[in-house]
Amino acid sequence: GAVVSQHPSWVICKSGTSVKIECRSLDFQATTMFWYRQFPKQSLMLMATSNEGSKATYEQGVEKDKFLINHASLTLSTLTVTSAHPEDSSFYICSARAHLAANEQYFGPGTRLTVT
Amino acid sequence: LAKTTQPISMDSYEGQEVNITCSHNNIATNDYITWYQQFPSQGPRFIIQGYKTKVKNEVASLFIPADRKSSTLSLPRVSLSDTAVYYCLVGDMSSGGYQKVTFGTGTKLQVIP
Repeated sequence: GAVVSQHPSWVICKSGTSVKIECRSLDFQATTMFWYRQFPKQSLMLMATSNEGSKATYEQGVEKDKFLINHASLTLSTLTVTSAHPEDSSFYICSARAHLAANEQYFGPGTRLTVT
Repeated sequence: LAKTTQPISMDSYEGQEVNITCSHNNIATNDYITWYQQFPSQGPRFIIQGYKTKVKNEVASLFIPADRKSSTLSLPRVSLSDTAVYYCLVGDMSSGGYQKVTFGTGTKLQVIP
């Protein structure tokens, strides 16, 4: 089946620094990737939709200048958390759609970000 | 986007069949119903998807009544490893490539030995 990977699986950074998280579709081309954030004991919250070759669409309340998303190829999307603060500590999960006609998302394993 | 409502939590003994029902009264004509399973600190894992009637695969069954305003995920003979959060999602991802799917609260299933 379709596999989505994320790197790193966990990261600890100091407040004020930036962190980049990669999301890759390993065996398929993803025209659309989604980025979610999940706080402990809560559901997944959609942050943005990333389409290859175009600007990401951010959900209401998500700062696009803080959470930079780049979808440069059909197999890679990156999320950069800029000037991270402790409140950005969370579990970040990406997902990908295989092609336009697909009614299924494939999720990555997630990245645990801790900002100290 | 159709909003979904699920029970917050459920308990079940090992070996029993578990049925989790999801309400989605505002489901649209082109919407599909998809169920995911999530373990702590892992990404959601696809379980099953359907549009109407009944769908079955090697791990679960999905029952959808004619009006499609609800759906029931059925897990046969659960084991301790089935303890997880189960999400019901409703959405149309076939049009235009930009449709997004929103997660509800999910149902935390606790399997008891």
